[in-house]
Amino acid sequence: SAVISQKPSRDICQRGTSLTIQCQVDSQVTMMFWYRQQPGQSLTLIATANQGSEATYESGFVIDKFPISRPNLTFSTLTVSNMSPEDSSIYLCSVSPAGGLSTGELFFGEGSRLTVL
Amino acid sequence: DAKTTQPTSMDCAEGRAANLPCNHSTISGNEYVYWYRQIHSQGPQYIIHGLKNNETNEMASLIITEDRKSSTLILPHATLRDTAVYYCIVRVANYGGSQGNLIFGKGTKLSVKP
Repeated sequence: SAVISQKPSRDICQRGTSLTIQCQVDSQVTMMFWYRQQPGQSLTLIATANQGSEATYESGFVIDKFPISRPNLTFSTLTVSNMSPEDSSIYLCSVSPAGGLSTGELFFGEGSRLTVL
Repeated sequence: DAKTTQPTSMDCAEGRAANLPCNHSTISGNEYVYWYRQIHSQGPQYIIHGLKNNETNEMASLIITEDRKSSTLILPHATLRDTAVYYCIVRVANYGGSQGNLIFGKGTKLSVKP
């Protein structure tokens, strides 16, 4: 298993500002993902955070809006840039443990609840 | 990845078995069935997964039909803490290698009532 810590757990931000969310894992992981969950909705994948290279974004998400860093195998950040009220969501970090007899399951952080005024 | 269909919501009496169905009629031969749940205000939690055979762990049992076009997640003795949204997801699993992401549908909102 993997223990994932996300910071901040929640924040209230002003329109036009940016916020960086951190994801720290207690062990090295191969894959890290960022999801968004809008109010009352299911989870939507934003991007895959690649260690040492640019993130891979899903359709509808762009690097200028959601820049992602992954400097090593245990840490990643997601920045929500130039925020608007439509960005109010829960942002979740997810990881897949490194190699071995991985069962394919993903582990999720508790999420960062963002409210944009 | 194949798509899944689940009922929007279900109720279950506390202490009784909760049976959550999932249809995945377009599932491919190398795709597994995964179940996750999301309790309010928490991140999703892995429950169980399987390929062809029925599976059981400390949380639940997974029954997969012989043609693999549908499955049922069984919580044998539901408690109030099992109230959550349950997601059925089908996906290829690469043992020993890097794992891909999960595509979440709308899931089933299970309400366990006293």
